[in-house]
Amino acid sequence: ETGVTQSPTHLIKTRGQQVTLRCSSQSGHNTVSWYQQALGQGPQFIFQYYREEENGRGNFPPRFSGLQFPNYSSELNVNALELDDSALYLCASSLQVGGANVLTFGAGSRLTVL
Amino acid sequence: EDKVVQSPLSLVVHEGDTVTLNCSYEVTNFRSLLWYKQEKKAPTFLFMLTSSGIEKKSGRLSSILDKKELFSILNITATQTGDSAVYLCAVEAYYSGGGADGLTFGKGTHLIIQP
Repeated sequence: ETGVTQSPTHLIKTRGQQVTLRCSSQSGHNTVSWYQQALGQGPQFIFQYYREEENGRGNFPPRFSGLQFPNYSSELNVNALELDDSALYLCASSLQVGGANVLTFGAGSRLTVL
Repeated sequence: EDKVVQSPLSLVVHEGDTVTLNCSYEVTNFRSLLWYKQEKKAPTFLFMLTSSGIEKKSGRLSSILDKKELFSILNITATQTGDSAVYLCAVEAYYSGGGADGLTFGKGTHLIIQP
């Protein structure tokens, strides 16, 4: 059973650029969530995808967008990068069956915006 | 707005000591409280708690939830250097009308175990 994998592991961008981060869900999981973790902070919920549709969103602007594909993998896109977007971006997958869900996290993509 | 507060934010103890990490929360429509361990990058799941007063145990780690006082504790006995990590507490709420709300995390407790 494979876990959650994310790519790239590290990347550096400049202000105003756009970035795409990728995530492969754990086998058998149908829901994917993205979190932003700034240094010294806990992860913050960006959004969640279920059956290729966004079904929940945290307090992030529209320049944060995502996709979920039929194989349940996912992308996070961030446009018009700002310095404050520098953070660890964590992808998590879970199996949505109606009960409380345990998220399985990937190792994250460390984004630095200069 | 849902809120999770962890204390202490950092803790340094010696190997063999017992530690207690605290987590208090305010959440509308509470569903569950979760503890995660974050060593390098990926948080790894420790416990999920949904009912008050029922202790969950895994080896030297244990946790309990008090839904009346809105807090949880994570205990680690006979600590080892491998227990050094950030311990994250998170709460999950039942879906609001607008869809999933995700987990609300605290800032974490940075635990350092000295040999």
